[in-house]
Amino acid sequence: NAGVTQTPKFQVLKTGQSMTLQCAQDMNHNSMYWYRQDPGMGLRLIYYSASEGTTDKGEVPNGYNVSRLNKREFSLRLESAAPSQTSVYFCASSSNTGRRSPLHFGNGTRLTVT
Amino acid sequence: EDKVVQSPLSLVVHEGDTVTLNCSYEVTNFRSLLWYKQEKKAPTFLFMLTSSGIEKKSGRLSSILDKKELSSILNITATQTGDSAIYLCAVGIFISNFGNEKLTFGTGTRLTIIP
Repeated sequence: NAGVTQTPKFQVLKTGQSMTLQCAQDMNHNSMYWYRQDPGMGLRLIYYSASEGTTDKGEVPNGYNVSRLNKREFSLRLESAAPSQTSVYFCASSSNTGRRSPLHFGNGTRLTVT
Repeated sequence: EDKVVQSPLSLVVHEGDTVTLNCSYEVTNFRSLLWYKQEKKAPTFLFMLTSSGIEKKSGRLSSILDKKELSSILNITATQTGDSAIYLCAVGIFISNFGNEKLTFGTGTRLTIIP
């Protein structure tokens, strides 16, 4: 059971570089989320997609864009990375229709921006 | 602004002790409260509490939701070193009339169990 798969696991970028974090889930969940986790700040929601074809901003969307490519995949893009975006990024998914499920998380991507 | 506050921020106890972790919230359109355990990587789900299920128990772990006090506690009895982790509380909030929701997390409680 793969669950939620994130790639890459680690990434180092220089300020101004761009990259896309990939996320895929195989649980047929309709909702997907991107969080970042920083020491002392907990998990903060960047963007979410309540269902295929929709995306919405979370608490900290500035500097990020997302694409819900299909029901399985939800990517997060940093167009011009900044040191403040150094963080651990978690993708998650859940089902909000029928029998609700809690969020299932991927194993995270540790991003360092120098 | 939706807010979830956990206390204490960190806790160190000896193996065999009982611990109580706290979570309080101020949110609009409350739907659920969830507890997660985070060791080295992804948070793993422990409990979901809703208006229709305000008390949950699994082995040595139990949790209660107090909707009047807008709070929840997570109890761990007879702690073991494997219980060392960050415990996260999250509140699910309605975001549309179609039942979709998003989670707002607290900063977590770092629990350390000394052998």
